[in-house]
Amino acid sequence: DTAVSQTPKYLVTQMGNDKSIKCEQNLGHDTMYWYKQDSKKFLKIMFSYNNKELIINETVPNRFSPKSPDKAHLNLHINSLELGDSAVYFCASSQPFQSGNTIYFGEGSWLTVV
Amino acid sequence: SQQGEEDPQALSIQEGENATMNCSYKTSINNLQWYRQNSGRGLVHLILIRSNEREKHSGRLRVTLDTSKKSSSLLITASRAADTASYFCATDEGGSYIPTFGRGTSLIVHP
Repeated sequence: DTAVSQTPKYLVTQMGNDKSIKCEQNLGHDTMYWYKQDSKKFLKIMFSYNNKELIINETVPNRFSPKSPDKAHLNLHINSLELGDSAVYFCASSQPFQSGNTIYFGEGSWLTVV
Repeated sequence: SQQGEEDPQALSIQEGENATMNCSYKTSINNLQWYRQNSGRGLVHLILIRSNEREKHSGRLRVTLDTSKKSSSLLITASRAADTASYFCATDEGGSYIPTFGRGTSLIVHP
């Protein structure tokens, strides 16, 4: 069984469109994350939710809006897509906030904006 | 936010050789983790080392931590073609509970 699953795996869309990436984890974790990996492989935290509440919101354009309907799901909605949004987006989860917790990653969603 | 910096950015070796990757960070940490990312996949946790530990082993992996130099190294012994992947270190610099990652070291092991 996949621990952290995200869909779609690949997404090609035009500038200006709105798109969503869904994420679900079956590990029973309280904390979920969205990371962005750019073309140079830098992996940067975007959002973190703990028990459906937003804990961390790094400097991310407000076109990006996370939604957590329950603690097993954290979806990412992106409005008015721009070319620079092209990247790989990773959903992840972990036990509640504690230094040293292992982060469990999904397989990534490859977003290409044309 | 701070992030670990891996070095070298790319490493190419022959099967059977050892591979060493380094990670440097800027401020104090409580722990440091190493992750692996196969091409087209998500990151997978390999090993965690705490600030009061100097060395840790897991199978063919050996991790060292030198807090005085603010650096860590990951050694993969007797490498295999299947070890080809990117390797990332993640630290909890600044007391953050969320590990911050660098850009990784891309390792290619030639059969």
